[in-house]
Amino acid sequence: GAVVSQHPSWVICKSGTSVKIECRSLDFQATTMFWYRQFPKQSLMLMATSNEGSKATYEQGVEKDKFLINHASLTLSTLTVTSAHPEDSSFYICSAPTTSRETQYFGPGTRLLVL
Amino acid sequence: GENVEQHPSTLSVQEGDSAVIKCTYSDSASNYFPWYKQELGKRPQLIIDIRSNVGEKKDQRIAVTLNKTAKHFSLHITETQPEDSAVYFCAASKGGSYIPTFGRGTSLIVHP
Repeated sequence: GAVVSQHPSWVICKSGTSVKIECRSLDFQATTMFWYRQFPKQSLMLMATSNEGSKATYEQGVEKDKFLINHASLTLSTLTVTSAHPEDSSFYICSAPTTSRETQYFGPGTRLLVL
Repeated sequence: GENVEQHPSTLSVQEGDSAVIKCTYSDSASNYFPWYKQELGKRPQLIIDIRSNVGEKKDQRIAVTLNKTAKHFSLHITETQPEDSAVYFCAASKGGSYIPTFGRGTSLIVHP
């Protein structure tokens, strides 16, 4: 199946700093990628849809100025958590749909801990 | 928008027993229903999917059934093994729109 990588796998940062998470499709091109946030024992919550060459589409309640998304190439999308606070601590997962646009392949996730 | 309900939230079975997880969806236009397995701290992985033109699909010990009229679909795992322990998510999406709506997840625990 398609492979999606994510970096870093985990990060610990101080409150107020910014953190960048990368999501890469390794063996296919992804004009669209999705960013999810998952709190412990909860479901995947879609944060935004990342579109190559255009602005991301954010879900209701997600601050676009806090969660900056850039999709500069067909294989890379980045999520930057700006001025992170402890409540931003979570598991962030990206995904990319296959060419058929039905199946999604998920990255391994990034665990963010803000102190 | 689409609303996906998943039950139960937790399911505990003995090794060798069968496990059934049920989901309902609200949008009759949804036509693709994947199931994902997520082990602790890892990525969700697609284990089986079904499209609306099919009523049942099976892959070894895993099967999914779909009732379009009732708008519900179920995951069946037979002869459960400890390594089946994980969180399982159902999802529903429409043709042409591949953003699925996920259920809240079911934590399956298989006791040896």
